[in-house]
Amino acid sequence: KAGVTQTPRYLIKTRGQQVTLSCSPISGHRSVSWYQQTPGQGLQFLFEYFSETQRNKGNFPGRFSGRQFSNSRSEMNVSTLELGDSALYLCASSLEARGNNSPLHFGNGTRLTVT
Amino acid sequence: DQQVKQNSPSLSVQEGRISILNCDYTNSMFDYFLWYKKYPAEGPTFLISISSIKDKNEDGRFTVFLNKSAKHLSLHIVPSQPGDSAVYFCAASNSGGGADGLTFGKGTHLIIQP
Repeated sequence: KAGVTQTPRYLIKTRGQQVTLSCSPISGHRSVSWYQQTPGQGLQFLFEYFSETQRNKGNFPGRFSGRQFSNSRSEMNVSTLELGDSALYLCASSLEARGNNSPLHFGNGTRLTVT
Repeated sequence: DQQVKQNSPSLSVQEGRISILNCDYTNSMFDYFLWYKKYPAEGPTFLISISSIKDKNEDGRFTVFLNKSAKHLSLHIVPSQPGDSAVYFCAASNSGGGADGLTFGKGTHLIIQP
């Protein structure tokens, strides 16, 4: 079974630009979550989607948004990029929504560098 | 305010011995706990989980212990192998709701020495 696939693996953008990251979950998984990993803050929750609906959202500004498609694939978008947005963005999928104690399975991430 | 804490940034253990990684949490609403392992340039890999209705869960060389009264959990790896060298993250969740997703600790870098 293929794992969680994230594209692209690496991305370099300049301040003020916007970026879209893509995630394909494990086949059959309906829940997709996004996390940001930075050296200082560790792994922080961005949002969770289940059946095309945003179920939960972490404490990030409105510049961070996402969506999920009918095939469970998900995208996240960051607008008006800032230097502090440089991070590893991780997508994770699970069979069920978070409340059903279903472990998350992570992709290898997209490394975003903002210059 | 860190709700999940891994107080040891790194831990060195000899191959074949037991590795014990510790994690403390402050939020009494957490009722589902997980351990992840991460190699450089890869995403975290799920290792083992435990629900708050249990105090122990075992899977091969990995055992997780949960002490709810102390708000403490630990991961035991026996015997430790060179491939276990990685960063280990503890994570917690409130399955009853809330907008926080999984809350992760900052990780412990485990080094297995030959």
